[in-house]
Amino acid sequence: DGGITQSPKYLFRKEGQNVTLSCEQNLNHDAMYWYRQDPGQGLRLIYYSQIVNDFQKGDIAEGYSVSREKKESFPLTVTSAQKNPTAFYLCASSIGQANTEAFFGQGTRLTVV
Amino acid sequence: GQNIDQPTEMTATEGAIVQINCTYQTSGFNGLFWYQQHAGEAPTFLSYNVLDGLEEKGRFSSFLSRSKGYSYLLLKELQMKDSASYLCAVTGGSTLGRLYFGRGTQLTVWP
Repeated sequence: DGGITQSPKYLFRKEGQNVTLSCEQNLNHDAMYWYRQDPGQGLRLIYYSQIVNDFQKGDIAEGYSVSREKKESFPLTVTSAQKNPTAFYLCASSIGQANTEAFFGQGTRLTVV
Repeated sequence: GQNIDQPTEMTATEGAIVQINCTYQTSGFNGLFWYQQHAGEAPTFLSYNVLDGLEEKGRFSSFLSRSKGYSYLLLKELQMKDSASYLCAVTGGSTLGRLYFGRGTQLTVWP
């Protein structure tokens, strides 16, 4: 079955540590996205990639980093520079053309302890 | 910039009809999506409008007026399982495929 997979579903991190969230898709999509969701707020774009080996900052990129070495994979690293990392993180992919539906992973809930 | 506005919360009873509105002001517009999201889960696609008018899909319909920057999602014959957050999202601007989301409308369906 084609889809987009995020892991882990729940993640706990100590303050000052970096942590990497995994996102894999087998939909053959060119574009991939990382969103952050906080209670009462909409999805905010962290980073996106429209093609392998290229990515762009979204609206809230500070304290995050990404890589896109393979078409299928778009991992997100939450660094210690991110001041308020506790949130629900969603990865999505799409064909990348105008007016194309985005498919979402199940999300990773990150909690800093 | 992109500004997408929708009500924060709505309530309705089983079997009723509810309309969730979304207004947008965007620099460039290609289309409008509606997603459903249950708590702690991934958003799932409901509907898509690119031209003015009504798109019907079973119990769910979505309407778009580009001149007014306005859309609504209409849910008929409400069921308890329809309790969820409904996200309005717009595509447009220089990045193909990028979605701009509203804050979501939390719908609670009562028995």
